[in-house]
Amino acid sequence: DAKTTQPTSMDCAEGRAANLPCNHSTISGNEYVYWYRQIHSQGPQYIIHGLKNNETNEMASLIITEDRKSSTLILPHATLRDTAVYYCIEEEAGTYKYIFGTGTRLKVLA
Amino acid sequence: GAVVSQHPSWVICKSGTSVKIECRSLDFQATTMFWYRQFPKQSLMLMATSNEGSKATYEQGVEKDKFLINHASLTLSTLTVTSAHPEDSSFYICSAPLPEWGQPQHFGDGTRLSIL
Repeated sequence: DAKTTQPTSMDCAEGRAANLPCNHSTISGNEYVYWYRQIHSQGPQYIIHGLKNNETNEMASLIITEDRKSSTLILPHATLRDTAVYYCIEEEAGTYKYIFGTGTRLKVLA
Repeated sequence: GAVVSQHPSWVICKSGTSVKIECRSLDFQATTMFWYRQFPKQSLMLMATSNEGSKATYEQGVEKDKFLINHASLTLSTLTVTSAHPEDSSFYICSAPLPEWGQPQHFGDGTRLSIL
């Protein structure tokens, strides 16, 4: 079973920040949280990952709560090309396995 | 950056034939690779773990005789869908983790399989 829960869908206006939440309440102390997105008919694209601290790269920022039970992916200035399904993934401990949840379908509106 | 290449990107074949899909890690070695399938408007479902030099391990409900996995080298895993039927039509995706703990997996671009 998926270990993460996310809203099914979200809309965001073009140029605004998109904030995508994820709950991972069963995460253990040494498991990372990974974020990917999937554009139609393509493989998932890596966005960002984190363990405890907030992270930022050229694509996005990741805010992880202090108790590590939830996180938020932030796309600072959403564009139409950011329309995709976004997956928050907690790796199964010791196996490298990713168990995908349903993800959030983000639609960026012009 | 790390790249995983999957081939072919799409294939159409007749019912009853077998289809082989390749997954290659292009600039890193992968002792483990993963195979997923995805139906329209659904999430990715993990099918099996491909292990270099040993048998693959399959998730519950996945027929190992139907989906043959071979991981003969540190950069190549293959998935063969044997005696394919229309219900096997799906989007098949592979992934490979970088060897360092905590590093993200990288995914292929997927193979769209259509069985007529």
